[in-house]
This record gives sequence, C-alpha cells and structure tokens, in this order.
Amino acid sequence: AQTVTQSQPEMSVQEAETVTLSCTYDTSESNYYLFWYKQPPSRQMILVIRQEAYKQQNATENRFSVNFQKAAKSFSLKISDSQLGDTAMYFCAFMKLTGNTPLVFGKGTRLSVIA
Amino acid sequence: DVKVTQSSRYLVKRTGEKVFLECVQDMDHENMFWYRQDPGLGLRLIYFSYDVKMKEKGDIPEGYSVSREKKERFSLILESASTNQTSMYLCASSFWGGGDGYTFGSGTRLTVV
Repeated sequence: AQTVTQSQPEMSVQEAETVTLSCTYDTSESNYYLFWYKQPPSRQMILVIRQEAYKQQNATENRFSVNFQKAAKSFSLKISDSQLGDTAMYFCAFMKLTGNTPLVFGKGTRLSVIA
Repeated sequence: DVKVTQSSRYLVKRTGEKVFLECVQDMDHENMFWYRQDPGLGLRLIYFSYDVKMKEKGDIPEGYSVSREKKERFSLILESASTNQTSMYLCASSFWGGGDGYTFGSGTRLTVV
C-alpha cells in the first residue's frame, strides 16, 4: 500500500518570503501522479500543482513549483513571494497511474503567512 | 463553473440517528468519493464509486454505507450515528483514472451529540 508522509505539521513564513513544504511517499509503482492541494479557511480544497512521475521536468504554476526527486521518493512544494492568501492547510497526495485507484493523502501541513 | 455540491455545510445530529450526507456533481464524472478529515489525521477514504450502483470500501468504511443511484449523486449514510463520527466530511469527484485531479465539495462539518 502507498503511504504519504508530511513531516511538518505546521510552518510559518513572512510575507514575500519563500517557503518549502516537504512530502515523501512510499510506493513500489514506477508510474504515478503526485499532487499538492490547498485548503484555506473556507474549507474548499483547491488543486495547486500536479506532477506525472514519468516526466523529468518539475511542474510549475506561477509562484508554486515542485522539487520532484523520484529516486528519493520526495515531492516538495516551494511557494515563492508568499502572500497572506497562501495561509492554508496543504496536502500532498499520491495516485497510481494504472487502474482507477483513489488518491492517498498525507496528514497535511498548516502554513501561516505572517504580515 | 463546475461544481461539487454538498447539501449541508454544518449538521448536528443525535447519537443513534440515521444520517444522510448528500453530494451532487455536474461534471459528468464517473468517480465519486467520500473522505473524512480529522485534525492530525489528514483525509481518510471512507468509500468511493466508479459507476452507478458500484461502490468500493476505502480505508475506514466501518459504520458507514453509501448509495449511488444516479451518476451525479453519491450519498453517505451513517446508519446509527455515534460521537466518534463527529468530523468533517468531504465529497469529491473525478473522471475515470483521476489523473487530472479531483474536484471537491466545500465539506460538511457533522457534530454528533
């Protein structure tokens, strides 16, 4: 079974600074997807970024980028130029590429952006 | 704007009551999911469905059942609510395979007293 570990329950960052959230996972699969989701205080889960494991290039979405290290089974999220609106719970998630299997989530990291 | 709609944002029920949580999506997604979210435990899968009348148990199905009579609607049923089922319940949907990610509802915070 796949597991996802987020080792930082809480983090904080000053506005306009850069922060990196860690995620590691355990799988015997060679092809899979990895995701970062954001859950602000409104509770609405929002997809931040998605990475396909067979792609070497790290995914980027505006101020959000990932550092995907397949051999190390690591998938960290970097938020540049942090904004107050980035304050949220962030969840890392894993999905096998084959079949129709559900997302497996980590326990989350609570990020606070401080003015 | 595509949506997953959960019928209640907050719900308070008594121990022993039968509770229905409803979820409707308008994206013609094959897959629908029910997750439970608790502080420090992340999101845990209760049940999912990949087609009408089809269901699969997730990691924590005990005390729950589901119904999917129409493609757009997926109901979570607590047969006899207990206080340890007080939690946030999140519904999600996706196309078959799920590689594009899930669309989530805004959650139902259920309190069982």
